[in-house]
Amino acid sequence: NAGVTQTPKFRILKIGQSMTLQCAQDMNHNYMYWYRQDPGMGLKLIYYSVGAGITDKGEVPNGYNVSRSTTEDFPLRLELAAPSQTSVYFCASSQRGGRETQYFGPGTRLLVL
Amino acid sequence: AQSVTQLDSQVPVFEEAPVELRCNYSSSVSVYLFWYVQYPNQGLQLLLKYLSGSTLVKGINGFEAEFNKSQTSFHLRKPSVHISDTAEYFCAVRNAGGTSYGKLTFGQGTILTVHP
Repeated sequence: NAGVTQTPKFRILKIGQSMTLQCAQDMNHNYMYWYRQDPGMGLKLIYYSVGAGITDKGEVPNGYNVSRSTTEDFPLRLELAAPSQTSVYFCASSQRGGRETQYFGPGTRLLVL
Repeated sequence: AQSVTQLDSQVPVFEEAPVELRCNYSSSVSVYLFWYVQYPNQGLQLLLKYLSGSTLVKGINGFEAEFNKSQTSFHLRKPSVHISDTAEYFCAVRNAGGTSYGKLTFGQGTILTVHP
């Protein structure tokens, strides 16, 4: 049981490039989330999904897109990377909302130059 | 809307000393409260959570937190810290009802540094 896995661990992008951050969970969780973490700012929710085919925006969705075609996978797409997207990205999952614990992946560190 | 304020961005402490990391929240509805820990270059791990019932919650690694509804606080404590407790700690809140879809609102984080 690997929990929540994320790839890559680290990536450098040039301004204007695109990339997809991968996230997978093997706990059969319905809910999945993408957060970004900036120093001194805590974590901010980018997008979330309550099941396959259902996604919605969080606090800071601009510049990102998501899809959820399976229960296990929740990729995050960056189009036209900008320096403001330099951050650490965390994927998380939970069985449901409410009382359930969110389990986090190890993170992807992204640098946009 | 909800918000979480962690009152100290950094807390230095000596090994075996007690520590308190402070967290205040603001919400117009009932909430669930969480503390997560992030060790260097790792993801977040749940320390403890308050859902209902006893206001004193015990978590992993000897940590505990007390929910104070009148003061809207959820401070984290440990009576004797170890070097291995050096990490960043995040307080988070979630709407206890409605259609929040489990979204967490995080505080800014407190870096705990334990010195020998």
